[in-house]
Amino acid sequence: DIQMTQSPSSLSASVGDRVTITCRASQSISSYLNWYQQRPGKAPELLIYAASSLQGGVPSRFSGGGSGADFTLTITSLQPEDFATYYCQQTYSSPYTFGQGTKLEIK
Amino acid sequence: EVQLMESGGGLVQPGRSLRLSCAASGFTFDNYDMHWVRQAPGKGLEWVSGINWNSGSIGYADSVKGRFTISRDNAKKSLYLQMNSVRGDDTAFYYCAKDIRERGSGVYYDAFDIWGQGTMVSVSS
Repeated sequence: DIQMTQSPSSLSASVGDRVTITCRASQSISSYLNWYQQRPGKAPELLIYAASSLQGGVPSRFSGGGSGADFTLTITSLQPEDFATYYCQQTYSSPYTFGQGTKLEIK
Repeated sequence: EVQLMESGGGLVQPGRSLRLSCAASGFTFDNYDMHWVRQAPGKGLEWVSGINWNSGSIGYADSVKGRFTISRDNAKKSLYLQMNSVRGDDTAFYYCAKDIRERGSGVYYDAFDIWGQGTMVSVSS
C-alpha cells in the first residue's frame, strides 16, 4: 500500500497569512493527488484534484502543486473559514490512502 | 441538487452484522464509481471500499477485506456496505462518496467530489 505523510500535523496561523502544507507519498504517484478540507462535525470537501486542479466553487486562494512523490497545498490570505483540517489522498492505486491530516488553527 | 444520504448506522455488538445504505439523487448514478470512507472518533479519514459503475471492479482496504462487502443497485440509485464480523475498531462515522470521474468522459483521475453527511456505527457489547 502507498503511505501518505503530511507535514506539519498541526499549524497555527493568523487571518491574512499564507500557509503551505506538504504531502509526501511513499512512492511516485504521478499527479494522482487530491486535497480535502474538513470542518468540525462536517463531511470532507474536495478542494484540489489531480494535484493542481481547483474544484469548482473553491476560492482561488487555494492552490496545489507537485508531482511524483512530493506535493503542496498553499492557502494565500487565510480567511476565518479556512481554519479546519486538511487531508491529502492518493488515487494512483487501490487502496486509496489518505494522509493523517493537518489541523490548521488560529494563532 | 446532487446529494448522498447514508442510513443504517447504529449500535452493534462485536461479531454481528450491519448493512449501510447510501441513497443518491441529482446525478446519473450509474455513470460514476462510488466509495465508502470512514472516520473513527477524533481520527483521520480511511478509505474503506470502492465500486465501479457496473460492479465489475471492486476494492477494499486490508482492514475490512473478507468482512465487508460493497454493492450497488443502479436501478435504485443506491450504494450499500454489508459489514460482517464487526470489531471495536470498526467504530466510526461512515461516509459514502461519489467519484468525480464520469464514465466515458475520458477523465483518468479519481477524486471524491460529493460526500454524504455520514452515519455513525458504534461497535460495543
